[in-house]
Amino acid sequence: DTAVSQTPKYLVTQMGNDKSIKCEQNLGHDTMYWYKQDSKKFLKIMFSYNNKELIINETVPNRFSPKSPDKAHLNLHINSLELGDSAVYFCASSQGRVAASNEQFFGPGTRLTVL
Amino acid sequence: KQEVTQIPAALSVPEGENLVLNCSFTDSAIYNLQWFRQDPGKGLTSLLLIQSSQREQTSGRLNASLDKSSGRSTLYIAASQPGDSATYLCAVRPQGGGNKLTFGTGTQLKVEL
Repeated sequence: DTAVSQTPKYLVTQMGNDKSIKCEQNLGHDTMYWYKQDSKKFLKIMFSYNNKELIINETVPNRFSPKSPDKAHLNLHINSLELGDSAVYFCASSQGRVAASNEQFFGPGTRLTVL
Repeated sequence: KQEVTQIPAALSVPEGENLVLNCSFTDSAIYNLQWFRQDPGKGLTSLLLIQSSQREQTSGRLNASLDKSSGRSTLYIAASQPGDSATYLCAVRPQGGGNKLTFGTGTQLKVEL
């Protein structure tokens, strides 16, 4: 009965590689997000999709490319990984862009370590 | 640009104590404010969401208040327990559309036996 799930939970890779993180939500939500939590535990939004449409794109390097095949999935692909990409990446979802509640529900996170 | 600050950064209290965590934000034009809990190595668990028109929300031993005009929110935890030990994060959503949450810096709470 997992609400927001992410795979993998841990990812260790070499600099320069390309990797993907997958996210799925079974809450029937329209909007999904990717957040990055750095080594100082500071959480910052990266992207947001509503019904497969990109609506938020913070100043993230274009090596990061989100892909939403349907509204229940939002995957994050990272090209040419760098040491500074090491962080915990969280996926989240909410009911909609303008829903009154708009409470965001988070996945368990993916800890990415770039060596 | 919205900035969210949480004070204190870390807090250690004995079990049973009532405590208050603070969150302040620079731009009062918010749609709502959400409090989260993060356990070590885990994701975020939503605790309470307060709409900009509300003054407080309660869930069990937790009570969150919001004073939008002064840019402040507090999370009150009654009768703290060791299981409350975690990092508590507040996040604000801007008014006028967009679901971008701006997170605070977090308060790391430890409740000791």
